[in-house]
Amino acid sequence: LAKTTQPISMDSYEGQEVNITCSHNNIATNDYITWYQQFPSQGPRFIIQGYKTKVTNEVASLFIPADRKSSTLSLPRVSLSDTAVYYCLVVRRQGGKLIFGQGTELSVKP
Amino acid sequence: DGGITQSPKYLFRKEGQNVTLSCEQNLNHDAMYWYRQDPGQGLRLIYYSQIVNDFQKGDIAEGYSVSREKKESFPLTVTSAQKNPTAFYLCASSPREGDWETQYFGPGTRLLVL
Repeated sequence: LAKTTQPISMDSYEGQEVNITCSHNNIATNDYITWYQQFPSQGPRFIIQGYKTKVTNEVASLFIPADRKSSTLSLPRVSLSDTAVYYCLVVRRQGGKLIFGQGTELSVKP
Repeated sequence: DGGITQSPKYLFRKEGQNVTLSCEQNLNHDAMYWYRQDPGQGLRLIYYSQIVNDFQKGDIAEGYSVSREKKESFPLTVTSAQKNPTAFYLCASSPREGDWETQYFGPGTRLLVL
């Protein structure tokens, strides 16, 4: 499975848009890009998943360029409650494991 | 109220003791998983089960054992052979066999060695 690289930490302020970029240079044709969110002392929570172009749901947007070697999770107008660790995963459908890296620790300040 | 429950929230283990962590789900999911998380790290897969009465080792299975006698239950035993058991343990489930990409996680059990 493709290894992912994302920033260790990011800081933001309430009301700002936050973009977290993940690189996955060796992504394969049947791999999907998935993002999870984890609050301290809780289990991760699925946020969004995509294959290419743009996906949007009520929580976030996911932008994937044509070469799929990177992806960007966009959180619109963050609040203090968005402070968490965000994991970017490349997952193979039908039999692929979830491999969690260190994630990006997002800190939202007032 | 559907979901995954893990108990206890905190568990203390003495040296040489086996302890069992509980994981129950009422989502009617076929697949269940156990992960371990160390401070500042991502999750590592211990064991997984795609159907009842069947399970496979993950990446760090040594010192752990599991059973899957019922669809809704997937207990994890941390044996005395696990030399560094202090960690946050997370159970997860997914709807179908082979459906890895969307997993639902429980609240976790923090295991501490006395």
